[in-house]
Amino acid sequence: AQTVTQSQPEMSVQEAETVTLSCTYDTSESDYYLFWYKQPPSRQMILVIRQEAYKQQNATENRFSVNFQKAAKSFSLKISDSQLGDAAMYFCAYRSNFGNEKLTFGTGTRLTIIP
Amino acid sequence: DAGVTQSPTHLIKTRGQQVTLRCSPISGHKSVSWYQQVLGQGPQFIFQYYEKEERGRGNFPDRFSARQFPNYSSELNVNALLLGDSALYLCASSLARDRPYGYTFGSGTRLTVV
Repeated sequence: AQTVTQSQPEMSVQEAETVTLSCTYDTSESDYYLFWYKQPPSRQMILVIRQEAYKQQNATENRFSVNFQKAAKSFSLKISDSQLGDAAMYFCAYRSNFGNEKLTFGTGTRLTIIP
Repeated sequence: DAGVTQSPTHLIKTRGQQVTLRCSPISGHKSVSWYQQVLGQGPQFIFQYYEKEERGRGNFPDRFSARQFPNYSSELNVNALLLGDSALYLCASSLARDRPYGYTFGSGTRLTVV
């Protein structure tokens, strides 16, 4: 079974600075997808960025980028120019390309933005 | 376009009762998944339905059941409620399993069992 580990329960960053959230995962598969989701107090999980394992190029979405290290099974999220609206819980998630659409989530990192 | 809608938003039930939670996916999305998120943890997969058929089931007891209707909306039923069933229940919809862009989540139903 796949597992996802987020070792930082809480992180904080000064507004406009850069922060990196860590995620590691364990799988024996070679074809899968990785996601970062943001969950603000409104509770809705919002997709931040996705990465396809067969693509070596790291995904980027505006101020958000990932460092995908397939051999090390690491998938960190970098947030540049942090804004107050970035404050939320961030969850890393794994999805196999085989079988059903199950997402396996980590335990999350609470990100605080300091004005 | 309307997003994924879930109802009700909040619910309080007594131990032993039964509850039904509802989810309407984004128009055109045929796959619906259910997750349970206990406070302080990441969501845990309960079910996935695609074209009205169960495609996956997580490690949950038989007290949990679900179904998907012809319009792709879905219901999650939980029987014989336990205090431990108190959680945020999230519904997610997607187009299909191939090349997943991502999954769109609703805002969830907060279930409290007393």
